Amino acid sequence: QVQLVQSGAEVKKPGASVKVSCKASGYTFTSQYIHWVRQAPGQGLEWMGIINPSDGSTNYAQRFQGRVTMTRDTSTRTVYMEMSSLRSEDTAMYYCARDDDSGYYFCDHWGQGTLVTVSS
Amino acid sequence: SYDLTQPPSVSVSPGQTARITCSGDALAKQYAYWYQQRPGQAPLLVIYNYRERPSGIPERFSGSSSGTTVTLTISGVQPEDEADYYCQSADSSGSVVFGGGTKLTVL
Repeated sequence: QVQLVQSGAEVKKPGASVKVSCKASGYTFTSQYIHWVRQAPGQGLEWMGIINPSDGSTNYAQRFQGRVTMTRDTSTRTVYMEMSSLRSEDTAMYYCARDDDSGYYFCDHWGQGTLVTVSS
Repeated sequence: SYDLTQPPSVSVSPGQTARITCSGDALAKQYAYWYQQRPGQAPLLVIYNYRERPSGIPERFSGSSSGTTVTLTISGVQPEDEADYYCQSADSSGSVVFGGGTKLTVL
């Protein structure tokens, strides 16, 4: 069965960076893109970007360009999302989600989420 | 970038029909998707390509589209359907947008 297992909760100080991992199993890792979506406490879902695990190409939401980097390691079937210059407003649950392979960009399986807390 | 607009809340009694709308210009040309998110859980895909149900999603969940508005319909609402529901669409470059979410309350 498809599984996306994310790394554990993080607490960071303002200005620091965080790197969240998402390990995939149960399907061909390089055949389907991975999205990153975040959700601030009590708020809605916010799309951050997408990575193609096959070649590492990315497409970031405009508001995260320059501050977010998505990478992958095909040997470990893991995708990473790194965010720099953290501020309190980045406190949120961060999800990775597998893209359906139909070419229409939606999420058919989700990770369990990683809580990132930014606090001095 | 574009916006998708949902009502903040919808309330129904058990057994009734709940309808949650999502509006946006892009929906006239792009597919819409719906996710259910129960408290403390990750989102779950319940409708894709306007009206298709993934395996394991109950038949009481259905989707429809008319112009720039899509609708998620839950027929015979059950207490376990109480959750937040999000619509989503994407443009041809793969940029994704979510609606603001609708809290479904089962009275």
